Amino acid sequence: SAVISQKPSRDICQRGTSLTIQCQVDSQVTMMFWYRQQPGQSLTLIATANQGSEATYESGFVIDKFPISRPNLTFSTLTVSNMSPEDSSIYLCSVVGGGSNTGELFFGEGSRLTVL
Amino acid sequence: SQKIEQNSEALNIQEGKTATLTCNYTNYSPAYLQWYRQDPGRGPVFLLLIRENEKEKRKERLKVTFDTTLKQSLFHITASQPADSATYLCALDRGYGNNRLAFGKGNQVVVIP
Repeated sequence: SAVISQKPSRDICQRGTSLTIQCQVDSQVTMMFWYRQQPGQSLTLIATANQGSEATYESGFVIDKFPISRPNLTFSTLTVSNMSPEDSSIYLCSVVGGGSNTGELFFGEGSRLTVL
Repeated sequence: SQKIEQNSEALNIQEGKTATLTCNYTNYSPAYLQWYRQDPGRGPVFLLLIRENEKEKRKERLKVTFDTTLKQSLFHITASQPADSATYLCALDRGYGNNRLAFGKGNQVVVIP
């Protein structure tokens, strides 16, 4: 199993500002995933963060809006840039458990952002 | 277009009965499908994984079926308890590998004592 800590757990932000979310894992992992869960919507994958390489973004998400850092095998950050009310959402960090390619995902508790 | 559909209406069920949730998908060919539980204000928690060559998987009071012809998975909670009240998410492999999953919106279950 993996224990994932996210900071902040929630925040209220002003339009046009940026916020960085931190994700700390209690073990070394190769891949970390960032998801968004907007109200009433499904979990949507933003990007996959690998240590030592650029993050891989899903369709509809771009690096300028969601820059990601992955400085080591236990830590990652996601920045939500130039925020608008449409960015109000829960942002979740996750990692794969187990050694197989079909392993379960472990999730952090999420960071709930409200943009005014 | 690709879709994963779960019932948007909450399932209210009497304690002790079996809750059955449906996950239908369109334009995916998943090698596996997973179910997660999510409580309010918490991250999802993994429950079960079923592969495309498996018809049924069980874990304690949980049972999952996977019909690749119907493109459907059923999730059953037998002898339901109030503690089972939560939202249950279906997630499936998008075929890209590397655990990049697609999730349904989830189906809320309310178990009435």
